[in-house]
Amino acid sequence: QVHLVQSGTEVKKPGSSVKVSCQASGNTFNSYAISWVRQAPGQGLEWMGGIIPIFGTTNYAQNFQGRVTITTDESTSTAYMELSSLRSEDTAVYYCASLVSTVITHAFDIWGQGTLVTVSS
Amino acid sequence: QSALTQPASVSGSPGQSITISCTGTSSDVGTYNLVSWYQQHPGKAPKLMISEGSKRPSGLSNRFSGSQSGNTASLTISGLQAEDEADYYCCSYAGSSTWVFGGGTKLTVL
Repeated sequence: QVHLVQSGTEVKKPGSSVKVSCQASGNTFNSYAISWVRQAPGQGLEWMGGIIPIFGTTNYAQNFQGRVTITTDESTSTAYMELSSLRSEDTAVYYCASLVSTVITHAFDIWGQGTLVTVSS
Repeated sequence: QSALTQPASVSGSPGQSITISCTGTSSDVGTYNLVSWYQQHPGKAPKLMISEGSKRPSGLSNRFSGSQSGNTASLTISGLQAEDEADYYCCSYAGSSTWVFGGGTKLTVL
């Protein structure tokens, strides 16, 4: 069974960058696309972007183009999401999510536990 | 990519049925018929409830069902139970390996 384990809470200054990790355990990592989804306090879910490790391809939501970079390290089965030029509005819980089922498609059936990123001066 | 439109809140009494709508556009919901639904309890990660418009993951209660027509998808929960009280989000594939979520609906079990 695959689990996604994310890195811990971050506190960042406006203008800086944050890099959140998401390590997969329990199965073959590079078979699965990984997406990053964030949730600001009291707000809804927002898809930020994703990566397909086996192809090395990335796709980003328009709202984050130029500010977000998603990468993977297959040797450690870890995906990373780096967000730059942080502002207070980026304060949110950041989730990684993936699909491991072989009987469903186009959904996210496993999620990391979430990483709180607080941007404050 | 604009967020999909969901009602902010719905409510129902135990045992009743409720339906949550999710309206998108011909660029997402209307084209791909690939809407998924997620349940989120406070402080928890989302949980997949429905995929591809109407498929339930293995082991999920058949009280949850999904449907889709045109640019609108729907999640129906029958036989409401107290533990169903949560936030619910729809999500649609939008092409080119991109996704768009709805704004979320808070379900209150009265």
